[in-house]
Amino acid sequence: AQKVTQAQTEISVVEKEDVTLDCVYETRDTTYYLFWYKQPPSGELVFLIRRNSFDEQNEISGRYSWNFQKSTSSFNFTITASQVVDSAVYFCALSEAQGDSWGKFQFGAGTQVVVTP
Amino acid sequence: NAGVTQTPKFQVLKTGQSMTLQCAQDMNHEYMSWYRQDPGMGLRLIHYSVGAGITDQGEVPNGYNVSRSTTEDFPLRLLSAAPSQTSVYFCASRKEPPGRTGELFFGEGSRLTVL
Repeated sequence: AQKVTQAQTEISVVEKEDVTLDCVYETRDTTYYLFWYKQPPSGELVFLIRRNSFDEQNEISGRYSWNFQKSTSSFNFTITASQVVDSAVYFCALSEAQGDSWGKFQFGAGTQVVVTP
Repeated sequence: NAGVTQTPKFQVLKTGQSMTLQCAQDMNHEYMSWYRQDPGMGLRLIHYSVGAGITDQGEVPNGYNVSRSTTEDFPLRLLSAAPSQTSVYFCASRKEPPGRTGELFFGEGSRLTVL
């Protein structure tokens, strides 16, 4: 069975601080995909990044960066120099490409990020 | 592009009433799904479909029915609403490329309150 754990319920930072969101996953599949989504106060869900299990190359996109480590089953997300507009709930998700769970996304409980001026 | 469209955006029901949440997508996506979002629990899969005529249960299917008669539409029916079904509901779709790598595209959500 697949499982995604986001242990941090809420993180509060002051603008321009860096913030790292933790995501730990469990899966028995060798092929799987990891995602991060953002849900701003307006409520929509915005796709941020997708990573497959064969690509451990970390990525930086503007102020966002992702650290994927299969050895620790973690897919962490960092916002550098946070801004008030980064205030949102961030969800980590897992999708298995094989087995009984394919087609099903497993989401973590989400981490609320609050950035104050 | 409209993407994924959900209606209604808000609904208040009384216990025992039935209703249908509508979901339509115009991206020709094979895969469609319904999630519910409750505080502290993330998004939980209710039902999903990998194509017209094919549906399957997710993590929390009880009290909900779905059907998929066309590629575009995937309605979610509440047969007899209960207060425990008070939630925000999201419809999502994705393309099904080889390996099923596609990200989910979400509708704007439907907030349902059952009194």
